[in-house]
Amino acid sequence: AQTVTQSQPEMSVQEAETVTLSCTYDTSESNYYLFWYKQPPSRQMILVIRQEAYKQQNATENRFSVNFQKAAKSFSLKISDSQLGDTAMYFCAFPGQGGKLIFGQGTELSVKP
Amino acid sequence: DTEVTQTPKHLVMGMTNKKSLKCEQHMGHRAMYWYKQKAKKPPELMFVYSYEKLSINESVPSRFSPECPNSSLLNLHLHALQPEDSALYLCASSQGLAGAQETQYFGPGTRLLVL
Repeated sequence: AQTVTQSQPEMSVQEAETVTLSCTYDTSESNYYLFWYKQPPSRQMILVIRQEAYKQQNATENRFSVNFQKAAKSFSLKISDSQLGDTAMYFCAFPGQGGKLIFGQGTELSVKP
Repeated sequence: DTEVTQTPKHLVMGMTNKKSLKCEQHMGHRAMYWYKQKAKKPPELMFVYSYEKLSINESVPSRFSPECPNSSLLNLHLHALQPEDSALYLCASSQGLAGAQETQYFGPGTRLLVL
């Protein structure tokens, strides 16, 4: 079965600090993508970062980076220099069979001034 | 351009009404999706269209009826809904259905309230 697990329902971080959100997954695929989506209170689901499993180099998008460990099936998101606008629900996701996107339960991140 | 648009942004309807949600993308994507999302929960897949044909129906009640008039448009027709159907309805699209190597892009959603 393909599953995605986010073990931190809620997290908080001070503005300008660094925070890491955890995600583990299970799949029998060898080539696949992994995603982190952000959903602010304004509700739009925004793609933050994508990792291609066949690439050893960890993906980076400005202040967002991932720590991808394929053997351990771990895919954590690091947010550096946290900003108030980073306050949101963060979902880790994996594309399953037939186009079904498999989501974790989400981590609600609050950035405090 | 990774834009998916949805209308309306908000919708309030009674249990006897008929309404439609619309989704549009101009990225040349050939797969489109409808999701239902409750507060602070991940989206739940409802329907998948691939090349304008319904490929997945996740056992959704018949009061929800999807339609894909062309490759850029996706509708969700609503009839005789229940209060528990109140939720955020998200549309998404991807280039195709290449399985584990597709990226889905989401629209802003329609917030539905059923009275």
